[in-house]
Amino acid sequence: DSGVTQTPKHLITATGQRVTLRCSPRSGDLSVYWYQQSLDQGLQFLIQYYNGEERAKGNILERFSAQQFPDLHSELNLSSLELGDSALYFCASSAGHRMNTGELFFGEGSRLTVL
Amino acid sequence: AQTVTQSQPEMSVQEAETVTLSCTYDTSESNYYLFWYKQPPSRQMILVIRQEAYKQQNATENRFSVNFQKAAKSFSLKISDSQLGDTAMYFCAFYYSGGGADGLTFGKGTHLIIQP
Repeated sequence: DSGVTQTPKHLITATGQRVTLRCSPRSGDLSVYWYQQSLDQGLQFLIQYYNGEERAKGNILERFSAQQFPDLHSELNLSSLELGDSALYFCASSAGHRMNTGELFFGEGSRLTVL
Repeated sequence: AQTVTQSQPEMSVQEAETVTLSCTYDTSESNYYLFWYKQPPSRQMILVIRQEAYKQQNATENRFSVNFQKAAKSFSLKISDSQLGDTAMYFCAFYYSGGGADGLTFGKGTHLIIQP
């Protein structure tokens, strides 16, 4: 168990809808990262938050947004969903704002299916 | 931008055999980190081994070891005495802390199957 909790584990929704994925990092970790894993694109870094502030952006679509709350949990909001958004969404956490030790602790992912 | 390439989509070996997974990467940086992550059917990504680019000595973790060739930009993973529980997707990943995006760059993965 990595200590990172993601909910929901599975989610099925329709095109055009909006969903929210939630992540609780390991106790004491200040950084939260979101990744998308799909068959065609592989694992892609979306966004990082550190202690409530956006720290780095990767390949995140404008329809997607995220935030980190004072209790350090994070939410990834996906709107105007398209079929191609179907993927496994991972949250990961680390202690600092940079991955100096290099290790990220991953949750079990949220499987999103858009019909 | 950095890229990571894993040229073996799938590999299958018998239990107790040794297997080597290949990874190459492209970067113009000199200080960076390389990783192998394992993703079993449970989906959770687990760190297998880590290598700092400034260290010449290859990293080892029990049955797992790497062959890091910095000049060739190659980072292969060797699994000795393979076990059924090693069956998983294996991802090679690159991290450079000086870049604008502070996340890992992953390869497409290698599906390793250990046969009984």
